[in-house]
Amino acid sequence: EAGVVQSPRYKIIEKKQPVAFWCNPISGHNTLYWYLQNLGQGPELLIRYENEEAVDDSQLPKDRFSAERLKGVDSTLKIQPAELGDSAVYLCASSRNNEQFFGPGTRLTVL
Amino acid sequence: AQSVSQHNHHVILSEAASLELGCNYSYGGTVNLFWYVQYPGQHLQLLLKYFSGDPLVKGIKGFEAEFIKSKFSFNLRKPSVQWSDTAEYFCAVNAPSNTGKLIFGQGTTLQVKP
Repeated sequence: EAGVVQSPRYKIIEKKQPVAFWCNPISGHNTLYWYLQNLGQGPELLIRYENEEAVDDSQLPKDRFSAERLKGVDSTLKIQPAELGDSAVYLCASSRNNEQFFGPGTRLTVL
Repeated sequence: AQSVSQHNHHVILSEAASLELGCNYSYGGTVNLFWYVQYPGQHLQLLLKYFSGDPLVKGIKGFEAEFIKSKFSFNLRKPSVQWSDTAEYFCAVNAPSNTGKLIFGQGTTLQVKP
């Protein structure tokens, strides 16, 4: 079974630029999550999807962050414009039966 | 609100030493409990989980954890660590009857000296 796929693995951008991350969950997993992980911290949920519906986006900074999962499979997370404080690892996970499987993450550096 | 606390931020052990990493959570209802591990340069992997039943759960690579409901704890243990156990360990909790959101602790970095 293939794992959660994320791209790119690394991204370096200048502040105020837009950036997008892509995630393909494990086949058959209807629930998809985006997390933010700062250095030395545990992941924090940004948004959770059940199929194509965002069921929990309370932690997503909606002024600059957006996400979509149009066909209920893969998903994109966008930041526009990026700020210095957005430098972190962005993790995608998918789940079945309450067990979450994580992708390798995208490490974002904002200069 | 739910929270998870991991007491040890950085642990250094010699090979063959015993390991216990503390994890406490705050939520009064039914919870699912997890330990994840992140080896250097790799993604988060599930080490073990507790949903119900026997409070002593065994995971991969010789790890085990004990759920003590009265103490709101889910400590991770391994009788004899190896150099390859060097990694970051995260405790996580979700409450299915609440939001179902997975809440992570801040992590414990384990360094095993050969």
